[in-house]
Amino acid sequence: EAGVAQSPRYKIIEKRQSVAFWCNPISGHATLYWYQQILGQGPKLLIQFQNNGVVDDSQLPKDRFSAERLKGVDSTLKIQPAKLEDSAVYLCASSLDTGLLDLAKNIQYFGAGTRLSVL
Amino acid sequence: GENVEQHPSTLSVQEGDSAVIKCTYSDSASNYFPWYKQELGKGPQLIIDIRSNVGEKKDQRIAVTLNKTAKHFSLHITETQPEDSAVYFCAASVRPSARQLTFGSGTQLTVLP
Repeated sequence: EAGVAQSPRYKIIEKRQSVAFWCNPISGHATLYWYQQILGQGPKLLIQFQNNGVVDDSQLPKDRFSAERLKGVDSTLKIQPAKLEDSAVYLCASSLDTGLLDLAKNIQYFGAGTRLSVL
Repeated sequence: GENVEQHPSTLSVQEGDSAVIKCTYSDSASNYFPWYKQELGKGPQLIIDIRSNVGEKKDQRIAVTLNKTAKHFSLHITETQPEDSAVYFCAASVRPSARQLTFGSGTQLTVLP
């Protein structure tokens, strides 16, 4: 079974530039998550999708960050304009999420992430 | 919201020794506690999890214990091997469907040969 795919693996940009990250979840997984992981910290949830709808984006800085999952499969996360403090690894995760209380089917599987450096 | 604290931030052990990582959580409604292992350049990978109605769970050399009264849970790795070297994260969720994970800050475990 293929895992969560993310691209690019690395991105270096200057502040005030824009950048986009792409995620392809595990086939059949309904729920998709974007996390921000700053160096030395644990992942912090930015946004959660259920199919193509947003479940929670309360921690997404909406003045500069946006995300979409138009067809309920792939997703893109965009930052415009980027700030120095946005330097981090951006992780995508997916889960089968049947909606039932079955923890085994709601395990989150993570991609390798995109490391963003803002100069 | 939920707050998860993790200690220690770094841990070095000799190969064959045991390693223990501890986490505390703030929200008494939290009911699902996974542990993730993250190797360099890779995403976190689930290694073990426990629900609030269980006090202990084992999987070969790995075990997790949960004390709901004290609101803390721990990861125990026995007979450590060099390939156990990685960053370990604890997490907590208040949702029964294990969504909305709040992660600890991580522990860098180094197993010395």
